[in-house]
Amino acid sequence: KQEVTQIPAALSVPEGENLVLNCSFTDSAIYNLQWFRQDPGKGLTSLLLIQSSQREQTSGRLNASLDKSSGRSTLYIAASQPGDSATYLCAVGDDYKLSFGAGTTVTVRA
Amino acid sequence: NAGVTQTPKFQVLKTGQSMTLQCAQDMNHNSMYWYRQDPGMGLRLIYYSASEGTTDKGEVPNGYNVSRLNKREFSLRLESAAPSQTSVYFCASSARINSPLHFGNGTRLTVT
Repeated sequence: KQEVTQIPAALSVPEGENLVLNCSFTDSAIYNLQWFRQDPGKGLTSLLLIQSSQREQTSGRLNASLDKSSGRSTLYIAASQPGDSATYLCAVGDDYKLSFGAGTTVTVRA
Repeated sequence: NAGVTQTPKFQVLKTGQSMTLQCAQDMNHNSMYWYRQDPGMGLRLIYYSASEGTTDKGEVPNGYNVSRLNKREFSLRLESAAPSQTSVYFCASSARINSPLHFGNGTRLTVT
């Protein structure tokens, strides 16, 4: 059974600092890895999807890397802003099934 | 664009009551999913439908049934609600396998 872990559970940084969010998983036989953002009381918004054959994906200030052999992914958010405050979840895809981590709650202080 | 729409947004049930959670997507996606989210446990897959006409169990299917009514709609039914089913339920859809998931805003269900 795939286990997905996100550490730390919470993170607080001053505005402008770069964010580094970590995700680890136990089974390297994956189809893809996805990063999501969740705002309080809302659903999840897809940020980036990395296919199993890829090493990284970029979108604007976001960059996500994938190292299947070590079972790790990292989400980098450059020059953080208060609007980046949210919970970030990673999910590992096996066929149609996604296994989610519990998330990292980020607070960006103005 | 509406995306994924879930109804109702909130629901309170008594133990033993039944209800159906509705989900519809307007993106012409092939695959649809039901997840539940509980504090400290992340999201767990209840059922999914890879394509119209098919449904499969996820990680926590006990106590639930689903119907893929057509390509747009995927409903989740609780036949006899239990307090352990108190949770936030999310419906999601994707164009195909290996595509990003699009989520609805959730249904907050309390079973007393």
